[in-house]
Amino acid sequence: SQQGEEDPQALSIQEGENATMNCSYKTSINNLQWYRQNSGRGLVHLILIRSNEREKHSGRLRVTLDTSKKSSSLLITASRAADTASYFCATKTSYDKVIFGPGTSLSVIP
Amino acid sequence: EAQVTQNPRYLITVTGKKLTVTCSQNMNHEYMSWYRQDPGLGLRQIYYSMNVEVTDKGDVPEGYKVSRKEKRNFPLILESPSPNQTSLYFCASRNTGNQPQHFGDGTRLSIL
Repeated sequence: SQQGEEDPQALSIQEGENATMNCSYKTSINNLQWYRQNSGRGLVHLILIRSNEREKHSGRLRVTLDTSKKSSSLLITASRAADTASYFCATKTSYDKVIFGPGTSLSVIP
Repeated sequence: EAQVTQNPRYLITVTGKKLTVTCSQNMNHEYMSWYRQDPGLGLRQIYYSMNVEVTDKGDVPEGYKVSRKEKRNFPLILESPSPNQTSLYFCASRNTGNQPQHFGDGTRLSIL
């Protein structure tokens, strides 16, 4: 079964709105990473949060991590049409292995 | 420019005809991985390598082989491809520790 599971599977919002995606995982982790993928292209790393961190910001992105609930969320503020993509969370375990979830497909409507 | 380069980008071939997908990175990364991406399943790891001559199976290694003779190269070999290996394949590399992965642009394989 997947270590990381994103929720929702698909999300459609208007430009300017905020988009929130959630990720849950099962085992203990060293870090959790979020990636973006545009339509069949390679994944692009967005942000990495370590297991001892609770929140991290990068531009319009805000990531939180709750290790007690084994969950993370990615917030994109003031979304733009260019944010339309699939978003994946990935967890790195102590065995130095990175496991991806099935992803959230985000559509931002102009 | 730091990058992971995969070749070919697209390939249509027939069942049983051996093929190799090459992957090269210019960042001196120790860790390299191969993933396949299928609709609704996200990315599943096929094989990974923690350094030269050190490789290990991921979650879906059946039907694939890899080698790591040099640090920069990590080819994926399909000795006898079958239609269920039709997929989008990604190579990735990173340093060890809490470092993000860098991905290639992908190779779309169709096995008829």
